[in-house]
Amino acid sequence: AQSVTQPDIHITVSEGASLELRCNYSYGATPYLFWYVQSPGQGLQLLLKYFSGDTLVQGIKGFEAEFKRSQSSFNLRKPSVHWSDAAEYFCAVGGADYKLSFGAGTTVTVRA
Amino acid sequence: NAGVTQTPKFRVLKTGQSMTLLCAQDMNHEYMYWYRQDPGMGLRLIHYSVGEGTTAKGEVPDGYNVSRLKKQNFLLGLESAAPSQTSVYFCASSLGRASDEQFFGPGTRLTVL
Repeated sequence: AQSVTQPDIHITVSEGASLELRCNYSYGATPYLFWYVQSPGQGLQLLLKYFSGDTLVQGIKGFEAEFKRSQSSFNLRKPSVHWSDAAEYFCAVGGADYKLSFGAGTTVTVRA
Repeated sequence: NAGVTQTPKFRVLKTGQSMTLLCAQDMNHEYMYWYRQDPGMGLRLIHYSVGEGTTAKGEVPDGYNVSRLKKQNFLLGLESAAPSQTSVYFCASSLGRASDEQFFGPGTRLTVL
């Protein structure tokens, strides 16, 4: 069965500082990996996804993620966070059965 | 193009009452999904559909039923609501390839007293 672990429940970062959110997955074959963001009271919006090719993936809002098969990881990064990046972030893994499994989420707080 | 819409946005039920949540998408997507979101647990798949007239169970299907009579609509029913079903419910849709993005609705906040 596929699963996702997001080790950090809550991260606080200063505006302008860099951000890295960790994601570890378990899946028997080549995974499809996604990062979604959820602003308070909103639905989820896709930031980026990986399913093949270059292991460094660029997404929207200045985010990027790197797929490392040897570490079963897909960590999300942003070089310089803005106050509007305060949100909850979800990593998800999917496969050929079209179903996604989500991690528990990481809440990001941005301080001025 | 409204994307994925959900009605209602909020609902309060008493234990034992029934209700139906409606999800509609205008993107001609084949696949539709119902999730529930609970604090510290992320999103968990309740039921999903791979096309009009088809439904399948997800990770946490007990206490819920679904129907997909029209391609654009996916209904989630609670026949006899329980306090454990207090949650935020999200509907999503996708084109149908495993690598495709799922598009999410704004959610329905349900409280069962």
